[in-house]
Amino acid sequence: EPEVTQTPSHQVTQMGQEVILHCVPISNHLYFYWYRQILGQKVEFLVSFYNNEISEKSEIFDDQFSVERPDGSNFTLKIRSTKLEDSAMYFCASSYNPTGVYNSPLHFGNGTRLTVT
Amino acid sequence: ELKVEQNPLFLSMQEGKNYTIYCNYSTTSDRLYWYRQDPGKSLESLFVLLSNGAVKQEGRLMASLDTKARLSTLHITAAVHDLSATYFCAVDGGSQGNLIFGKGTKLSVKP
Repeated sequence: EPEVTQTPSHQVTQMGQEVILHCVPISNHLYFYWYRQILGQKVEFLVSFYNNEISEKSEIFDDQFSVERPDGSNFTLKIRSTKLEDSAMYFCASSYNPTGVYNSPLHFGNGTRLTVT
Repeated sequence: ELKVEQNPLFLSMQEGKNYTIYCNYSTTSDRLYWYRQDPGKSLESLFVLLSNGAVKQEGRLMASLDTKARLSTLHITAAVHDLSATYFCAVDGGSQGNLIFGKGTKLSVKP
């Protein structure tokens, strides 16, 4: 079964450094998302992306965050200057239809654990 | 503020027993999702409930949705150890891809 692939599985970085998290969504999917989960807490929406632009973003997704689809397969999340509180598991997800339309759950990747020291 | 509340947050049960996890939400959304997460792993879609009265079953799990009460339930029948995981419910936040998750119910099934 096709799956969403994320790399790296674990990223350690120093505060203030830039990080880029990589995702390869399912190939025929059109909608892409980033969520994060701080350890032991609930999953929080960051951003959705469709047709090469951001569809929706949360309050968490401030100017330090950006997303890009540099080619036909990759979808990246960049954090420009990491803070300690950015430490979390970051999940990429994709779907063929937007959520709320038809029977279209999000398919999540295995996540990238980001540790900011 | 849109809220999704699950209870219980922790559930320890014996194999063979039945139990129900509850998910209350404050939005008027008529779509609700259940996901399973194993420790350190991703979120696996279990059920998508699209309308009032929807009921779906997969193995020992059955999910239902009452949009009037803004309540979904995940019923576990004759639990087995393999069901040990954290279960999340989520509703549409009203925007494209903006799912609002509950805090999750950590289920532990003991022999």
